[in-house]
Amino acid sequence: AQSVTQLDSQVPVFEEAPVELRCNYSSSVSVYLFWYVQYPNQGLQLLLKYLSGSTLVKGINGFEAEFNKSQTSFHLRKPSVHISDTAEYFCAVSDFTGGGNKLTFGTGTQLKVEL
Amino acid sequence: KAGVTQTPRYLIKTRGQQVTLSCSPISGHRSVSWYQQTPGQGLQFLFEYFSETQRNKGNFPGRFSGRQFSNSRSEMNVSTLELGDSALYLCASSLWTGSSGNTIYFGEGSWLTVV
Repeated sequence: AQSVTQLDSQVPVFEEAPVELRCNYSSSVSVYLFWYVQYPNQGLQLLLKYLSGSTLVKGINGFEAEFNKSQTSFHLRKPSVHISDTAEYFCAVSDFTGGGNKLTFGTGTQLKVEL
Repeated sequence: KAGVTQTPRYLIKTRGQQVTLSCSPISGHRSVSWYQQTPGQGLQFLFEYFSETQRNKGNFPGRFSGRQFSNSRSEMNVSTLELGDSALYLCASSLWTGSSGNTIYFGEGSWLTVV
């Protein structure tokens, strides 16, 4: 079985400061990792995904994440946040095997960007 | 290209009633998945359909069911509604199933309130 842990439920940060949202996963097989963002009253939007290859993945809106297999982590980072980045961020994992497209999500991290 | 479309966006039902939610995937996508999002349980996988066949099912009671039509549109049904079924129901679509190259796109969701 797979699981995802997002260590911080809320992260406050000032505008133009850097931010890191932490994600750790647990799985007995090779996995694929994703970060989604959810703005208020909206669905989920894919920020980035790690399937294979380079461990540093760049996504939309200036976000990037680094896959670390030894630490089973996939932390999301942005060097300078904007007020519009205020949203909830979800880390997810899938092995795309017999389970098809099933994603297992973490509990989410609320990013609040303050002026 | 239109995204994943869910209808209705908001609805209120009475305990004991049943509800049907609809999802139109992105054109050409054959896989449709459903997720339930609540403040207490977070994002949980309900089921996935691919080419009109259920591929996988999450840990939900039999009151939750779904189906997929030949045009890939999908519906999910919840019978004998309980207060705890109040949630945001998210539909997601992708081209294939069980492939690591998949990108999974989400709709805006249907907000169900059970009173």
